[in-house]
Amino acid sequence: QQQVKQSPQSLIVQKGGISIINCAYENTAFDYFPWYQQFPGKGPALLIAIRPDVSEKKEGRFTISFNKSAKQFSLHIMDSQPGDSATYFCAATLNNDMRFGAGTRLTVKP
Amino acid sequence: DVKVTQSSRYLVKRTGEKVFLECVQDMDHENMFWYRQDPGLGLRLIYFSYDVKMKEKGDIPEGYSVSREKKERFSLILESASTNQTSMYLCASRPQGNYGYTFGSGTRLTVV
Repeated sequence: QQQVKQSPQSLIVQKGGISIINCAYENTAFDYFPWYQQFPGKGPALLIAIRPDVSEKKEGRFTISFNKSAKQFSLHIMDSQPGDSATYFCAATLNNDMRFGAGTRLTVKP
Repeated sequence: DVKVTQSSRYLVKRTGEKVFLECVQDMDHENMFWYRQDPGLGLRLIYFSYDVKMKEKGDIPEGYSVSREKKERFSLILESASTNQTSMYLCASRPQGNYGYTFGSGTRLTVV
């Protein structure tokens, strides 16, 4: 039972473009929505996170957009760089229950 | 910075062996987690612990057990390794009252 659905599975973007990754969740009790970035050979690292009382959060080139009524949230990477090439996971959390999406492999071409 | 250290980066074990994966965190976090990561499936929770000697099953506990005798150490045990347990195993920790998970670098286990 996949409680967090993530798309696309893979994404190729030109340098300087906008990368957009989408997630949808089912459980309305989730109260924290993080995005993790994972480079090959490393564990996931927290990139940015949002709580459901906020519709948008921006940190540098990374923005989360949150739509509570649609139960969807997305990650936007502005001015994408080759160094952003990694696998990105969305997640939804309640207490010790963190549900992850299946991941998106982002490739930013120079 | 919080550090979560997993004892092995790569392991190759034979079917039927008992396998121990060790995880140590250095920031006195109450909560610790074991996930496995498989392509197309994301991260799935095997077990977690919210205190010493306490453990809770996650989504896929079958074939695994855990041990937490000290606050900083959380061990994952494969009682009798099988080929379908070939995977990347990730340990994580977080403090009470904070959702900031910190992950280790992972152990890639191959069971042959």
